[in-house]
Amino acid sequence: GAGVSQSPSNKVTEKGKDVELRCDPISGHTALYWYRQSLGQGLEFLIYFQGNSAPDKSGLPSDRFSAERTGGSVSTLTIQRTQQEDSAVYLCASSPPGQGAVEQYFGPGTRLTVT
Amino acid sequence: DQQVKQNSPSLSVQEGRISILNCDYTNSMFDYFLWYKKYPAEGPTFLISISSIKDKNEDGRFTVFLNKSAKHLSLHIVPSQPGDSAVYFCAASRPPYTGGFKTIFGAGTRLFVKA
Repeated sequence: GAGVSQSPSNKVTEKGKDVELRCDPISGHTALYWYRQSLGQGLEFLIYFQGNSAPDKSGLPSDRFSAERTGGSVSTLTIQRTQQEDSAVYLCASSPPGQGAVEQYFGPGTRLTVT
Repeated sequence: DQQVKQNSPSLSVQEGRISILNCDYTNSMFDYFLWYKKYPAEGPTFLISISSIKDKNEDGRFTVFLNKSAKHLSLHIVPSQPGDSAVYFCAASRPPYTGGFKTIFGAGTRLFVKA
């Protein structure tokens, strides 16, 4: 079946502009995660959605970052007034419902470059 | 505050030999540990996991060992193949069903398997 998809695959934007990154999780997966990976770094957790529960936003680095998940499926990560330090690969992942489902299925990522 | 550490940024191994990738963690609350594999321009893919109540899990050429007293886990690949060349991420997780989300990734180790 189809995996996690993300769009766009690459985004170049000027400092100060807003950007929106999209994630389509695997159908039926109730959990959705956003991470970012800066050059030479590990995956940094940003936000987590689980079903209809309030999202865990504890990883968002500033109030310029926000995310929503509509209808329990597609998610959009928005970065307002982008800064050069926002340049990174933004990865989305989803996981199925049920106990013990700890592994996450990742999309290919969106490479964001802020000039 | 690096709760999951992969101290070797890279590792080079001859084809057919064993690859050993190491990971250390600092927080005893994690109850699942996972390894992900990442090729360039792709998202990470789940490889193998281990529950904290076990000390070994094996899946084909891949075996993960967990030493809770040392807060250390390792991934063994034997025999190593050129197609195993990738970046390997260690992750420590508290499953969502425990009421809170927490997955911390290491910075990754790049494995080169030479033919």
